[in-house]
Amino acid sequence: DADVTQTPRNRITKTGKRIMLECSQTKGHDRMYWYRQDPGLGLRLIYYSFDVKDINKGEISDGYSVSRQAQAKFSLSLESAIPNQTALYFCATSDSGGSVYNEQFFGPGTRLTVL
Amino acid sequence: GENVEQHPSTLSVQEGDSAVIKCTYSDSASNYFPWYKQELGKGPQLIIDIRSNVGEKKDQRIAVTLNKTAKHFSLHITETQPEDSAVYFCAALWEGSQGNLIFGKGTKLSVKP
Repeated sequence: DADVTQTPRNRITKTGKRIMLECSQTKGHDRMYWYRQDPGLGLRLIYYSFDVKDINKGEISDGYSVSRQAQAKFSLSLESAIPNQTALYFCATSDSGGSVYNEQFFGPGTRLTVL
Repeated sequence: GENVEQHPSTLSVQEGDSAVIKCTYSDSASNYFPWYKQELGKGPQLIIDIRSNVGEKKDQRIAVTLNKTAKHFSLHITETQPEDSAVYFCAALWEGSQGNLIFGKGTKLSVKP
């Protein structure tokens, strides 16, 4: 079974709709991240969480919100989707382990299309 | 904040040739530089990393070099194989970033048999 799972894998929605992307991990990691990938723009950090009570904005948080329901679950919401939020979204996890030099493990991604 | 520039954006090589991808960073306080490989339809995966106290690191056919003075680091893949075809991302982490990485825009490597 995959260590980091994302649901759904693909989603097509309309402008103005509320969308939730979910991420679950079985790695026991404390840190979780949401990234957005656009062609030619690489990976950009949307939100990150160091534990259930610690949520932080990343580089491009406008238009997004998150919820860390448990150590293993981190959800990303688009309250009112717009076409320029069409992108590939990745969840990632890492283990702080007293160091910042720790590998991030990525999920398989969710391809979101906003019409 | 940190900014990471990655070149080239696309790279095509013949199987068996070497491939080099270069990245530059802006913040001299950056001290950790990982490389991630993203295969088609999958999430990125760490393939090699280097810390600022080391100038070069090698793992079989891949190697990373770091020039702190010039603030650039490079990924070298020797004896390329078709399975090396993927998108490669460099990244940088600096001490004040709480462990967050800043990624380059990626390089799409194609290895032709």
